[in-house]
Amino acid sequence: ETGVTQTPRHLVMGMTNKKSLKCEQHLGHNAMYWYKQSAKKPLELMFVYSLEERVENNSVPSRFSPECPNSSHLFLHLHTLQPEDSALYLCASSQQQGDYGYTFGSGTRLTVV
Amino acid sequence: QKEVEQNSGPLSVPEGAIASLNCTYSDRGSQSFFWYRQYSGKSPELIMSIYSNGDKEDGRFTAQLNKASQYVSLLIRDSQPSDSATYLCAVNRGSARQLTFGSGTQLTVLP
Repeated sequence: ETGVTQTPRHLVMGMTNKKSLKCEQHLGHNAMYWYKQSAKKPLELMFVYSLEERVENNSVPSRFSPECPNSSHLFLHLHTLQPEDSALYLCASSQQQGDYGYTFGSGTRLTVV
Repeated sequence: QKEVEQNSGPLSVPEGAIASLNCTYSDRGSQSFFWYRQYSGKSPELIMSIYSNGDKEDGRFTAQLNKASQYVSLLIRDSQPSDSATYLCAVNRGSARQLTFGSGTQLTVLP
């Protein structure tokens, strides 16, 4: 595996379900990010982890819970989501918090029913 | 004023023409500038980075940076239908050392 890998690619979940999104980077980067992209809207930064420490949380509802167990793995735990949370969730990684740009994973298309 | 501004488009150009995409930013301390291409339903892909004033060329793509005017642009020469996508401008603000993305410009290259 190379680059940034996200699983699953597609996820349909009910509002009472609990699920997790997984991201793994194979680039030796030291920062990882979660972004939300809704239809026709710009990228929304959700969480930033640098050296496994959360350095930014952009007023994201508590039904989204990130976890970064090490510099290569990032999770987004989901529970009691709302239909408006349906979106493309993108993971990205970088070296030195973006000095050389981010590498994005292929994303998880989430549908909340 | 938005931190990173782009015309949302859509921008349409005929095949073979030059497509010009523009971006302005508000933080004078910004140091790194990037262009991403995003096809519909896909994730953004880094296509150009530029760090100093002037032009940087890579194949059919040229990035231009003018820090005095706080302006960065992307030129696509000999545009192809496969270039049809949304182009995102991203800026690394010196203070936060994180990328701030513009809302993107949708480009359509007409055969």
